[in-house]
Amino acid sequence: GAVVSQHPSRVICKSGTSVKIECRSLDFQATTMFWYRQFPKQSLMLMATSNEGSKATYEQGVEKDKFLINHASLTLSTLTVTSAHPEDSSFYICSARTTIEKLFFGSGTQLSVL
Amino acid sequence: QKEVEQDPGPLSVPEGAIVSLNCTYSNSAFQYFMWYRQYSRKGPELLMYTYSSGNKEDGRFTAQVDKSSKYISLFIRDSQPSDSATYLCAMSARTGNQFYFGTGTSLTVIP
Repeated sequence: GAVVSQHPSRVICKSGTSVKIECRSLDFQATTMFWYRQFPKQSLMLMATSNEGSKATYEQGVEKDKFLINHASLTLSTLTVTSAHPEDSSFYICSARTTIEKLFFGSGTQLSVL
Repeated sequence: QKEVEQDPGPLSVPEGAIVSLNCTYSNSAFQYFMWYRQYSRKGPELLMYTYSSGNKEDGRFTAQVDKSSKYISLFIRDSQPSDSATYLCAMSARTGNQFYFGTGTSLTVIP
């Protein structure tokens, strides 16, 4: 199957700093990429939908100024958590959609804000 | 009513058992159906992908889609301890639309 690479897998940062998470589709061009947040033993919570070359669409309740998404190319999307606080600590996952409606996920990033 | 309903379990079976996982949905426009396996603190892994109705088999896994009943299933034969994970169903209506997920079923296969 197709590969979606997500880095870093784990990051620990101090409160107030910004963290960037990268999501790359390695062997296909992704028409759309999605960003999710997942709390322990809970399902995926969609944060935003990202299309190459256009502004991301954020879900209700997600602060677009805190969670900056850049979709620079058909193979790369980044999520920047700005001025991170402990409540932003979570597991973040990206996914990428192929042209035939298959959705592939990255391996996830565990963010811990101290 | 949620777009997709999935029994969260947990489900516990002995090794070698046949496992049946199910999702129901309300939107008759859904055409693309997927099953994912997610291990703890990992991203979901695509197991099965089906377009429209019918069955699809891949090794020990069989996916079934019954659009008339708005019901999809994933069967796991000869279950192994390594199958212990959370299984998510997902579906979408057509190109460009968002994906809808079940809440996931937690499966434990006991050696």
